[in-house]
Amino acid sequence: NAGVTQTPKFRVLKTGQSMTLLCAQDMNHEYMYWYRQDPGMGLRLIHYSVGEGTTAKGEVPDGYNVSRLKKQNFLLGLESAAPSQTSVYFCASSYSTRFPSGANVLTFGAGSRLTVL
Amino acid sequence: DQQVKQNSPSLSVQEGRISILNCDYTNSMFDYFLWYKKYPAEGPTFLISISSIKDKNEDGRFTVFLNKSAKHLSLHIVPSQPGDSAVYFCAAKKVGSGNTGKLIFGQGTTLQVKP
Repeated sequence: NAGVTQTPKFRVLKTGQSMTLLCAQDMNHEYMYWYRQDPGMGLRLIHYSVGEGTTAKGEVPDGYNVSRLKKQNFLLGLESAAPSQTSVYFCASSYSTRFPSGANVLTFGAGSRLTVL
Repeated sequence: DQQVKQNSPSLSVQEGRISILNCDYTNSMFDYFLWYKKYPAEGPTFLISISSIKDKNEDGRFTVFLNKSAKHLSLHIVPSQPGDSAVYFCAAKKVGSGNTGKLIFGQGTTLQVKP
């Protein structure tokens, strides 16, 4: 069972370049998320999706776009990368339930380290 | 504005002793709290959680305590083992955010358990 798979694991970009981070989950989870982790900041929610075809903004959405065309995939795009977007990005998923003990138990991918020069 | 704070960046304990990781929060609208554990080069994994209607939840060697009046929670690991060495994140969910995993995370505390 792969769980949550992120590609690529590492990427170096120049300022102004664009790229897409791919996330795939094989657990049939309804919800998917993109978080970024920065030193001293913990993890911060960028965007999330509660189902196929839906997306919503999180805590720090500026400079990012997302798409959820298929239930198992959640894509994070950077249209014009900036040095402030240098970070480790984590994709996560969880299942839909009325109980917080379920939906808030996130399964994370291993992370994608992005450096913007 | 850090709504969930882990003020100790690191903690070192001896194997077999108790590890106590602390977390403070500022928003009284949080109603559910979780601890995640993260090893290097891996994603965080869920460890234990507690609802705001409780003050304690226990799972094996791990116990989480919640003090709502002080807006403080702590994770106790007894006894600590070298395999517990990791970064621990405290996270909280706001009332009204639905059950959608929109969590607010603390900065993390790196625990080192020495053999």
